[in-house]
Amino acid sequence: QVQLVQSGAEVKKPGSSVRISCKASGGTFSDSAINWVRQAPGQGLEWMGDILPKLGSTSYAPKFLGRVTLTADGSPTAVYMELSSLKPEDTGVYFCATDQTGTPAQYDAFDVWGQGTLVTVSS
Amino acid sequence: DVQMTQSPSSLSAYVGDRVTITCRASQSISTFLNWYQQKPGEAPKLLIYAASTLQSGVPSRFSGSGFGTDFTLTISGLQPEDFATYYCQQTFINPPLTFGGGTRVEIK
Repeated sequence: QVQLVQSGAEVKKPGSSVRISCKASGGTFSDSAINWVRQAPGQGLEWMGDILPKLGSTSYAPKFLGRVTLTADGSPTAVYMELSSLKPEDTGVYFCATDQTGTPAQYDAFDVWGQGTLVTVSS
Repeated sequence: DVQMTQSPSSLSAYVGDRVTITCRASQSISTFLNWYQQKPGEAPKLLIYAASTLQSGVPSRFSGSGFGTDFTLTISGLQPEDFATYYCQQTFINPPLTFGGGTRVEIK
């Protein structure tokens, strides 16, 4: 089963952008979407959007529309999440996740997760 | 957006207890409901998908039920390793997928 490996922690200034990678280890990306989920310190889970790596098609949560961009490159071998116009409240852990359960796509059961990337936004 | 409301937000229980967590959707979502367990410093772990299907490798003491707007996660015989935070997630309306606020299960 493929594993997802994310890039390392980032410290950013307000107003700047951050780009996080999510790579497939032990295989290649399947036809399933790669999703991005954010977790602020001590808070719950928040879905940001998803990308179908082989097609490059994307879907975004309205809250992040215009500030988040998901891309894929290579075979694809990696997907990227870029968040712009960073604010201190964007501080948190960002996860990529995908559904490899084999159920119909709409169930979006995220059984494979990256390890998470801590993004700290501070002046 | 479909709002997901979990209750309680936290609970204390003894090892061996039966624990029930509820999740209510703001509109009908059929059985497009998943449950996750998260421990501090870790990524969430899928427990139940499609409201009642146990994910491979998850102990059978976990079970899920519900349809439409009301769902439950039950842990029959709480074990020390089950102390964690649990989240429901609806996938009927996308975008956006939405999660419940979480239920923290603590040791009494």
